[in-house]
Amino acid sequence: GQSLEQPSEVTAVEGAIVQINCTYQTSGFYGLSWYQQHDGGAPTFLSYNALDGLEETGRFSSFLSRSDSYGYLLLQELQMKDSASYFCAVHNYGQNFVFGPGTRLSVLP
Amino acid sequence: DAMVIQNPRYQVTQFGKPVTLSCSQTLNHNVMYWYQQKSSQAPKLLFHYYDKDFNNEADTPDNFQSRRPNTSFCFLDIRSPGLGDAAMYLCATSRGGQGSEDTQYFGPGTRLTVL
Repeated sequence: GQSLEQPSEVTAVEGAIVQINCTYQTSGFYGLSWYQQHDGGAPTFLSYNALDGLEETGRFSSFLSRSDSYGYLLLQELQMKDSASYFCAVHNYGQNFVFGPGTRLSVLP
Repeated sequence: DAMVIQNPRYQVTQFGKPVTLSCSQTLNHNVMYWYQQKSSQAPKLLFHYYDKDFNNEADTPDNFQSRRPNTSFCFLDIRSPGLGDAAMYLCATSRGGQGSEDTQYFGPGTRLTVL
C-alpha cells in the first residue's frame, strides 16, 4: 500500500523559519510535490523534487531524500498569509498522485 | 488567462438524485483529474484521463463516473449521491510529462451538498 505522514499542525511566529516533514511509503515513486491550500480554496503548487537535494523557490525550499523516503518543505521569513494547510503529494508512475494528510500551519503575529 | 474552470461552484442535490459536475481547461493539458476532498482531509484521487484513456482508482465507488468528450472538458457524474458524498470536488490538469512538467493545476472546486 501507499502511505504518507506529516505533522498535523505547526505553529510559528511571523519572520520565523518552519520545516514541515513528510515521510512516505509507496511503489513506483517518481517525485514529491508540495501544495498550499487556504481555507475554502484550491491547492496551489509550491515545489517539486524528483532528485535528491534541495530546490529553492523564493521563500520556500523543498528537500528530498529518496533513500530515506523523506522530504520536507522549508518556509522562511514567515508571513501571516502563509497560514494555510500544506500537503506533500507523491507522484507515482502513471499519473498516480497520493496526497499526504496535510499540515495546518498557523502563523502568529 | 489560461485556467481550470469548474461549474457550478456550489451544487445542492437530493439524496439519490443524479448530479453532474463540470470542468474545463484552457491549458491544453493532456491529463485531467478528479479529486474528492472532505473537510480537514487530503484530496483523494478518484480517477484521471490521459487524453482519452480513463484510469480509475481501485477504491473509487462505482457510483462515480466520468466523461471526457474532448481535450477541454471533463465531467464527474454521481449516479446516486449519498450523504457521505458531500464534499469538495476538485478538478486538476497536468501536461502528462515527467518531472516538473507534471505539475497539477487545480480548479476552484465544486462544493457538493446532499440533502
